[in-house]
Amino acid sequence: EVQLVESGGGLVQPGGSLRLSCAASGFIFSSYAMHWVRQATGKGLEWVSGIGTAGDTHYPGSVKGRFTLSRENAKNSLYLQMNSLRAGDTAVYYCARVRRGYFFDYWGQGTLVTVSS
Amino acid sequence: QSALTQPASVSGSPGQSITISCTGTSSDVGGYNYVSWYQQHPGKAPKLMIYDVSNRPSGVSNRFSGSKSGNTASLTISGLQAEDEADYYCSSYTSSSTLVFGTGTKVTVL
Repeated sequence: EVQLVESGGGLVQPGGSLRLSCAASGFIFSSYAMHWVRQATGKGLEWVSGIGTAGDTHYPGSVKGRFTLSRENAKNSLYLQMNSLRAGDTAVYYCARVRRGYFFDYWGQGTLVTVSS
Repeated sequence: QSALTQPASVSGSPGQSITISCTGTSSDVGGYNYVSWYQQHPGKAPKLMIYDVSNRPSGVSNRFSGSKSGNTASLTISGLQAEDEADYYCSSYTSSSTLVFGTGTKVTVL
């Protein structure tokens, strides 16, 4: 059974940093692209970042230069380093497995990040 | 990259069919057959319903179908059931090698 478990969320001050983790199990982690998607309370889904099997990364303009995505295949883990956090980054962050580079076939339950003073 | 445009809400009675539109541009929806749809119930993670415009993953009811014409993709739910009441989001690959979601549609079963 595919499982994705996010951790590392919490309360951080504006300008601060946070590192999210996603532990994967039930599939060959190194064979899949992995992405993060976030959702502010009462708002829609927003794509945050993606990493391919070769370690290539992609970001939208809203987080480029502030967020860094990485993976550690030996530990079946995905990491999102978030720096220079803003109030607008407050959201539930979901880790998701990606197929064919673009659609999300499995999702974690999410971890809440709150940026506030 | 702007979000794809979806109607804020769509409603229908049990047994009816409804269609949710998802409008983008030639740089996303219109340029690729890489459109997917997700269902999200309150407090839950999204669930994949359609990929490659019209393909259903194993386990998804055949009451859900997808299509595309030009820059607009559509999700149709036929034989509407109470359990279909949820938020629905489309997503597309873009020419910038990024992904973009739709604004989301709340489906209400009357």
